[in-house]
Amino acid sequence: DGGITQSPKYLFRKEGQNVTLSCEQNLNHDAMYWYRQDPGQGLRLIYYSQIVNDFQKGDIAEGYSVSREKKESFPLTVTSAQKNPTAFYLCASSIELWASLGYDEQYFGPGTRLTVT
Amino acid sequence: AQTVTQSQPEMSVQEAETVTLSCTYDTSESDYYLFWYKQPPSRQMILVIRQEAYKQQNATENRFSVNFQKAAKSFSLKISDSQLGDAAMYFCAYRSAVKLVFGAGTILRVKS
Repeated sequence: DGGITQSPKYLFRKEGQNVTLSCEQNLNHDAMYWYRQDPGQGLRLIYYSQIVNDFQKGDIAEGYSVSREKKESFPLTVTSAQKNPTAFYLCASSIELWASLGYDEQYFGPGTRLTVT
Repeated sequence: AQTVTQSQPEMSVQEAETVTLSCTYDTSESDYYLFWYKQPPSRQMILVIRQEAYKQQNATENRFSVNFQKAAKSFSLKISDSQLGDAAMYFCAYRSAVKLVFGAGTILRVKS
């Protein structure tokens, strides 16, 4: 079955440590995205990637980094510079970034809950 | 910048009844997409319905329909014959260029 996988579902880290969240898709989508979700707020865009070896900052990129070495994979690293990293992180993908009519739907993974203490 | 506002933090509906969730947005663009996503307790985001701004006809997907008022920048979601499985957080979203801009969400509770 095609879809997006994120692992692990729950992640715990000590403050000051970097941590990498995994996102893999087998939908053959070009575009991938990372969102952060906090209580009482909608999803906020961290980074997005249109194609392999290319990515752009979203609205809240500070303290995060990404890579896109393979079409299927878009890992997110939460660095020690992120001041409030505890949150729920969602990865998504779509067929293409500049989507034409009917191809703009983003498919979401199940998410990773990161807790930093 | 585009913004999306959901003014109802929480709503309740009796099973089999109808409920309407509100959403307003702010944009200067003339062509765009609007979405309603559902996030059940599993936290998996599920697309419920989509509306293209250039279409005057309101989108409908089974028990879900929208009331799209472009001039008023309003995009409400109506759920008919509510079911227990409809209980979730609902997010309204606006597609702006390369990204989706989400509202803060409305928690929908369904009473049996």
